[in-house]
Amino acid sequence: NAGVTQTPKFQVLKTGQSMTLQCAQDMNHEYMSWYRQDPGMGLRLIHYSVGAGITDQGEVPNGYNVSRSTTEDFPLRLLSAAPSQTSVYFCASSSAGGGVWANVLTFGAGSRLTVL
Amino acid sequence: GQNIDQPTEMTATEGAIVQINCTYQTSGFNGLFWYQQHAGEAPTFLSYNVLDGLEEKGRFSSFLSRSKGYSYLLLKELQMKDSASYLCAVRARTDKLIFGTGTRLQVFP
Repeated sequence: NAGVTQTPKFQVLKTGQSMTLQCAQDMNHEYMSWYRQDPGMGLRLIHYSVGAGITDQGEVPNGYNVSRSTTEDFPLRLLSAAPSQTSVYFCASSSAGGGVWANVLTFGAGSRLTVL
Repeated sequence: GQNIDQPTEMTATEGAIVQINCTYQTSGFNGLFWYQQHAGEAPTFLSYNVLDGLEEKGRFSSFLSRSKGYSYLLLKELQMKDSASYLCAVRARTDKLIFGTGTRLQVFP
């Protein structure tokens, strides 16, 4: 199993450019989410989805857009990149509902984004 | 609001025991998670507590007190490979999993 696959691993953008970070999972997980990780700030939730067609905002949603047209894919769009969006981005997924394993996140390998 | 506090850094010696504390204040509580993250890598799941008490898993144990908003991760028989960041995360009332800033543990020989 591939688990959670993120692309690209590295990206350099200029201020004002737009781009999409791709995330795909093959575990049939209902729940998918995007985090950014910055030094001293920990992992901060950007957007999340509990199923196809359903998305919601996390702690730091401004400047980012998501959609969930299929169970497998959850792309993150940067509409107009800013230097403050320089970060490492992680996509993560889990099964939903009750039980011990619900919400145990499986993370992708991360995407390192630099905005100049 | 949501607040999760952990120490920023800790050091320990190989073979020793270390306890990493986590205190939280969240709107609702549906479980507390510990993740391990090696430098440059993705976080990986270590443990989960939803009821008060101790959960043991090999060299790692995690404790939860819901009334005190407190958890700790106990690492025994420390090995060099345990040098990593340890992230405390709380699932609050919604589906969101909120992370603390993490504790960077350095294990010395």
